[in-house]
Formats: sequence, structure tokens, C-alpha cells
Amino acid sequence: EVHLVESGGGLVQPGGSLRISCAASGFTFSSYEMNWVRQAPGKGLEWVSYITGSGTTRYYADSVKGRFTISRDNAKSSLYLQMNSLRAEDTAIYYCVRESQNILGAPFDYWGQGTLVTVSS
Amino acid sequence: QSVLTQPPSASGTPGQRVTIDCSGGSSNIGTNAVNWYQQFPGTAPKLLIYSSNQRPSGVPDRFSGSKSGTSASLAISGLQSEDEADYYCAAWDDSLDGVVFGGGTKLTVL
Repeated sequence: EVHLVESGGGLVQPGGSLRISCAASGFTFSSYEMNWVRQAPGKGLEWVSYITGSGTTRYYADSVKGRFTISRDNAKSSLYLQMNSLRAEDTAIYYCVRESQNILGAPFDYWGQGTLVTVSS
Repeated sequence: QSVLTQPPSASGTPGQRVTIDCSGGSSNIGTNAVNWYQQFPGTAPKLLIYSSNQRPSGVPDRFSGSKSGTSASLAISGLQSEDEADYYCAAWDDSLDGVVFGGGTKLTVL
């Protein structure tokens, strides 16, 4: 069974940094493209970042470009998001999301339970 | 302001058919498939429709999706109280090199 478990969320001051992680199990992690999607309190979903299975290609939303870095360790079946220069508007639940293989539209077929990042002084 | 436009709310009575529209542009829905997600309060979203009109295993056939031009629709027939949730459309955007979501539609079963 596929499991995605996020960790590392918490309270951080504006301008600070935080790294969140996602531990994957139940599938061949290196074969799947992965994403981070976030949801601010009471708001809708916002895609944050994408990484290929090998880690060679990465994309970012304009709102986080230059501040966030997505990475992965396939030996540990883990996905990471390094967040720097954090702002109040980055406050959100961050979901680790698996992308379906070879399916038109690359849907997000499995989601973690999310980890809450709060940026506040 | 979301790239994909959805109505913020929709409603229906049990047994009714409800549709939720999602409007985009040539770089997203006009070119790529649309996916729909269902989210209950306090839980992670769940894939409901993929590739514009396909249902994952376990999703009731009351849910269906369609796409035409730069718009897509989610239809729910035989509405049930347990369908009360938030629904989001999403698609890859070739201009932005990223996934774009609709703002979400809160469905209320009256």
C-alpha cells in the first residue's frame, strides 16, 4: 500500500528557513515524479514544485521560485522541500504528492496527510 | 486569483444532478487533460477524475468529467449527502511550466 508521510513542519519566523520531508513507501519511489502542493488555512490548493524520478528536472511556482528547493533521495525513498526567506503568505499545510505514471494529464494519485508550516513572529 | 476559474459554491438536493464548471485557457485546459480532486474538511484531497473523463478505481460512476475547448466540467448525478465536499480542477500549464488549480467549489447538499 502506498504511504506518504510528511514531517518537519512547525513555527518559523519571517525570513527564516525550514526543511520539510516526505517518507514514501509501498512503491518504487525512484520511478515516480513527485510534487509538493500547499493549502493556506481556509484557502484552495496551490501547486508548489515538481521533480522527476531521477531528480534532474525541477519546476517551481513563481511564488516560491528562488526561495524553495525541491530534492529527493531515492536510496531513502524520501522527498524534501528546503524553504528559505519564508514569508507569512507561505503559511500552509504542505502535501507530498505522487504523480501517476504514463497517464494523460499526470494526475496526483496519492497524497500525504500534510505538514503544517506557520510563518509568524 | 486562480488561473482556472470555478464557481465558489454549488448546491443541490439529494438525487439531483449537479455540474461544476472549470474555465481555463489555451495553455492549460486547451492543450492538456484535466484532473478533478475531492476534499473533505480536515483531510487530504483525493483524485476523483483524471485525464478529463476517467474515474479511478473505487470512484462511483455517479461522478463524470468532460472537456471541451478551454473548459471542463464535473458532473455528479444522483447527489448524495456524502458528496458534500470541496472540488478542485487542475491541469498542467505549458506557459507556466507548472500545475494550475481552480479556486475550488464548495458543494452543499441541501
